[in-house]
Amino acid sequence: EPEVTQTPSHQVTQMGQEVILHCVPISNHLYFYWYRQILGQKVEFLVSFYNNEISEKSEIFDDQFSVERPDGSNFTLKIRSTKLEDSAMYFCASRYRGLGVGYTFGSGTRLTVV
Amino acid sequence: QQQVKQSPQSLIVQKGGISIINCAYENTAFDYFPWYQQFPGKGPALLIAIRPDVSEKKEGRFTISFNKSAKQFSLHIMDSQPGDSATYFCAATVTQGGSEKLVFGKGTKLTVNP
Repeated sequence: EPEVTQTPSHQVTQMGQEVILHCVPISNHLYFYWYRQILGQKVEFLVSFYNNEISEKSEIFDDQFSVERPDGSNFTLKIRSTKLEDSAMYFCASRYRGLGVGYTFGSGTRLTVV
Repeated sequence: QQQVKQSPQSLIVQKGGISIINCAYENTAFDYFPWYQQFPGKGPALLIAIRPDVSEKKEGRFTISFNKSAKQFSLHIMDSQPGDSATYFCAATVTQGGSEKLVFGKGTKLTVNP
């Protein structure tokens, strides 16, 4: 079964450093998402991406965050200057077209900011 | 209100018992209601989903009951097994300005004792 692949599985970074989280969505999917989950809490929407541009972003997705789909297969989330409160599990998801089509999530990247 | 309220926060059931998780929403723009299952260290995985024009959907031991007028839906796990121990999230999709996203409930940690 096709999978969404995320790397790295765990990233430790110092506060103020830039991090880039990598995702390879399912190849024929058209819509791409980043969600995050702070330990023990619910999964929160960060941003959606379609047709090479951001479709929607949440209040969490401020100027420190950016997304790119640089080569037609990878989908990256960059945090420019990490804060302690950015520590969370970050999930990439993708889906094909249409209502009722399930989102496929990757296994996540655990980001720890120290 | 783009929230989905989920209860209980945690649930302990004996093997063979019925697990019931409830969710409620306010936003009538929600148009699809999936349930996700998450094991530790993994991303959410689609378990079962329902459209709001259907009152019940059953897949194996898993059943969604949907009450559109009450804006409530629930997941029933029949004959619960230790392997069902996981965190379950109800969710809803909403489309605004041509962009669709998933909104999650806070999750229910299910423990099925042998």
